[in-house]
Amino acid sequence: SAVISQKPSRDICQRGTSLTIQCQVDSQVTMMFWYRQQPGQSLTLIATANQGSEATYESGFVIDKFPISRPNLTFSTLTVSNMSPEDSSIYLCSARDSNQPQHFGDGTRLSIL
Amino acid sequence: AQTVTQSQPEMSVQEAETVTLSCTYDTSESDYYLFWYKQPPSRQMILVIRQEAYKQQNATENRFSVNFQKAAKSFSLKISDSQLGDAAMYFCAYRSGYNFNKFYFGSGTKLNVKP
Repeated sequence: SAVISQKPSRDICQRGTSLTIQCQVDSQVTMMFWYRQQPGQSLTLIATANQGSEATYESGFVIDKFPISRPNLTFSTLTVSNMSPEDSSIYLCSARDSNQPQHFGDGTRLSIL
Repeated sequence: AQTVTQSQPEMSVQEAETVTLSCTYDTSESDYYLFWYKQPPSRQMILVIRQEAYKQQNATENRFSVNFQKAAKSFSLKISDSQLGDAAMYFCAYRSGYNFNKFYFGSGTKLNVKP
């Protein structure tokens, strides 16, 4: 199964700033995904990161707030822009190849002051 | 839209005992996959077990097994010989067989293991 590394593992940020989270997979994968997990909650899909094209966003999430890059088949970034305390959450990167199960990174715990 | 329901927010089990976590789902699709993921305090989501809807035989992975009742749309996870390392949040998840990109997660069950 794919090994997924996320950086940073956690960060504390000031209101109004932006943070970019990196996700690296140890093998080429077809699909990469970004999820948000608010404290004590389940996972909510933010967007699907497609290589070579724009990300596909779920309802309630927009590109201006969560720009995503997918420059190749092993790497993706998620930026949380103009952060507010409501953005405090765990952000999880996930990857899947073909019809295989999805695997997840360790997550990035983000706190906004 | 598909929904996944975990009705037990928290459960406890004695070490070495057996515990069953419940999950029900709602779908009109005939082709789908079901998963159980474990999320320990370290945050990483770890795949525990998966079940293809077209398979009648219940999936088993060592101490973990499922009771898949397709007609009842039920997918429970049984953990035998519970260990302290099993303590975690457990999420049931549904994936469409027609759109692999859509994962639907339940709200999770926190499992405590008592020594």
